[in-house]
Amino acid sequence: AQTVTQSQPEMSVQEAETVTLSCTYDTSENNYYLFWYKQPPSRQMILVIRQEAYKQQNATENRFSVNFQKAAKSFSLKISDSQLGDTAMYFCAFMKLGLVFGKGTRLSVIA
Amino acid sequence: ETGVTQTPRHLVMGMTNKKSLKCEQHLGHNAMYWYKQSAKKPLELMFVYNFKEQTENNSVPSRFSPECPNSSHLFLHLHTLQPEDSALYLCASSQEVWPSTDTQYFGPGTRLTVL
Repeated sequence: AQTVTQSQPEMSVQEAETVTLSCTYDTSENNYYLFWYKQPPSRQMILVIRQEAYKQQNATENRFSVNFQKAAKSFSLKISDSQLGDTAMYFCAFMKLGLVFGKGTRLSVIA
Repeated sequence: ETGVTQTPRHLVMGMTNKKSLKCEQHLGHNAMYWYKQSAKKPLELMFVYNFKEQTENNSVPSRFSPECPNSSHLFLHLHTLQPEDSALYLCASSQEVWPSTDTQYFGPGTRLTVL
């Protein structure tokens, strides 16, 4: 069975600094997709970034980038130049029919 | 907002009540999903519908009964729930289901409390 582990329940970062959220997963599949979703307080879940496992190049979306290590089954999210609006729960997810989510990391950006 | 709406946003019900959650997507997608978000557990996939047909039931108890009358609407009928069913129920949609890699778009959720 696929599982997703986020080992950091809570993190904080100063505004304008860089923070990395970790995620590991377990699967026997060779081709799959990984996602980071963001859930701001009392707001809807939105996609931050996604990665296809067959692509070696790490995905980037503006200030968000991933470090995808397929052999280690690791998929961390780096947020550069953190902004107050980045405060949210961040979920790592694995795609199999529906999404398999980790427990999430609560990120607080401090002014 | 992402084009997926859910009603009601909050619901309090007794264990003997029958209620329904509604989800509507305005994105022209063909796949819809129900997820359960509990305080102490990861988001859990409950049901998947593709072109109105149920393609996945993730071992959900029968007191949860989904209905998908068309590709734009998804319901979750609730009856004789337990207090441990209290959670945020999220609806999502995507263009297609797996093995498509389409992004899933989520609704705001219904916060359900079972007394």
